[in-house]
Amino acid sequence: KNQVEQSPQSLIILEGKNCTLQCNYTVSPFSNLRWYKQDTGRGPVSLTIMTFSENTKSNGRYTATLDADTKQSSLHITASQLSDSASYICVVPLFNTDKLIFGTGTRLQVFP
Amino acid sequence: DAGVTQSPTHLIKTRGQHVTLRCSPISGHKSVSWYQQVLGQGPQFIFQYYEKEERGRGNFPDRFSARQFPNYSSELNVNALLLGDSALYLCASSFKRLAATRTYNEQFFGPGTRLTVL
Repeated sequence: KNQVEQSPQSLIILEGKNCTLQCNYTVSPFSNLRWYKQDTGRGPVSLTIMTFSENTKSNGRYTATLDADTKQSSLHITASQLSDSASYICVVPLFNTDKLIFGTGTRLQVFP
Repeated sequence: DAGVTQSPTHLIKTRGQHVTLRCSPISGHKSVSWYQQVLGQGPQFIFQYYEKEERGRGNFPDRFSARQFPNYSSELNVNALLLGDSALYLCASSFKRLAATRTYNEQFFGPGTRLTVL
C-alpha cells in the first residue's frame, strides 16, 4: 500500500533550538518527495522538492535529506523561530498519476 | 501575480444541503486539484482536472463532483452534506499534469475553504 508516515506527531522546542522531522514512505516507483509547511487554517506552502537523485537540499534554515534506498527523508530546522510553529507535511506523488500521497504531518510548536 | 484563490473562505451549512466551492488557479496553470483536510489529518485527494477533463479521482462518494471551466477555474460540489464533510477544502494548481513528466511539477495551494456542517 502506498503510504507516507511521519514522526513525531507533535514536537515542542524552544526558540533558537534545532529539530529534525522524519518521513518514511512506501510509495513505489518513486519520482520525488516534497516537504510543505502549513499554518493553521491555511493552505500548504512548499519548502522543498527532492528528486530521487538528490540527497540533500537546503532552503534557508530548512535542510531536507533523502535516502531513496531506505525510503526515508528528514527535514532539519536550524535556529528555530516562533514563526516556524506550524504543521510540516511530507508528500510523495503516486508515480505516473496526478495524485499526491500526504503524510499526517508533524505539528511543531516553538516557544520563547 | 495573484496566487491560487478560493471562495468563500468560510461556510456553514446544515446536513442535507449542498455546497459549491470555487477555485481560481494561478494565471497560466491548466491543472487544478481538490483536497479535503479533516482537522488533525493530512489532505486527502478528491479530484484532479486538466484541460477541463477529469484526470484523477480519489476515494470519495458520488456526492462529490467537480468541473473545470474554459478559463481553468474550477468548482467543487458536494450534495447531501454530512457532518463528516466538515473540513478544510484545498485547491491546488499546477502548469502541467503531475504525471506528464518524471521531474517534479510543483503544485501551489490556495488558502482553502473552511466548511462546517451542523
